[in-house]
Amino acid sequence: SYVLTQPPSVSVAPGQTARITCEENNIRSKTVHWYQQQPGQAPLLVVYDDSGRPSGVSERFSGSNSGNMATLTISRVEAGDEADYYCQVWDSSTDHVVFGGGTKLTVL
Amino acid sequence: QVQLQESGPGLVKPSQTLSLTCSVSGGSISGGGYYWTWIRQRPGKGLEWIGHIFFSGNTYYNPSVKSRVSISVDTSKNRFSLKLSSVTAADTAVYFCARLSDYFDLWGRGTQVTVSS
Repeated sequence: SYVLTQPPSVSVAPGQTARITCEENNIRSKTVHWYQQQPGQAPLLVVYDDSGRPSGVSERFSGSNSGNMATLTISRVEAGDEADYYCQVWDSSTDHVVFGGGTKLTVL
Repeated sequence: QVQLQESGPGLVKPSQTLSLTCSVSGGSISGGGYYWTWIRQRPGKGLEWIGHIFFSGNTYYNPSVKSRVSISVDTSKNRFSLKLSSVTAADTAVYFCARLSDYFDLWGRGTQVTVSS
């Protein structure tokens, strides 16, 4: 089964670009989705199908998926982006869902 | 718009069965080809998929809880439910219900369940 590996933490200054990675062997063969979770709240979908952006999500959020790594990129980071971020895939061989361990984004 | 709302006891004794319900409003649980899912988050930890169900009743469970979990759907009441048996303190968590296609586009607010005597 899949094990999605994320860095526990990423720090970035306001206005800079944050990149949060999600690693698994040949992850490019899967579609990856990303969620933002603010403290005490339910997760919010911010990127779907590797690079799609749901309605209402800032264009500063984008995604990519290549080789063994998927990446969530947040441009022009703001204080309000400080949150936990999770990647997720659907393992079609088992119909199971897998989440990454999560990355805490700190805005310095 | 479609909304999800979890309900159930906030406190469960060790060895007993945790039971939660997710009510779906603003849309039919039978429509759209979605899977209806339970996810939990232990204190200070990440998201853990528990399992999901299709409106027809097909279920899929995380192997880590498969021997203790049951998810059911009641289309007449437009809701689905979670039962987790033989709970321990390790089952203390916020439990979320969510709607799944290939990704989770809709979530409930979550409900805290504490396992304690």
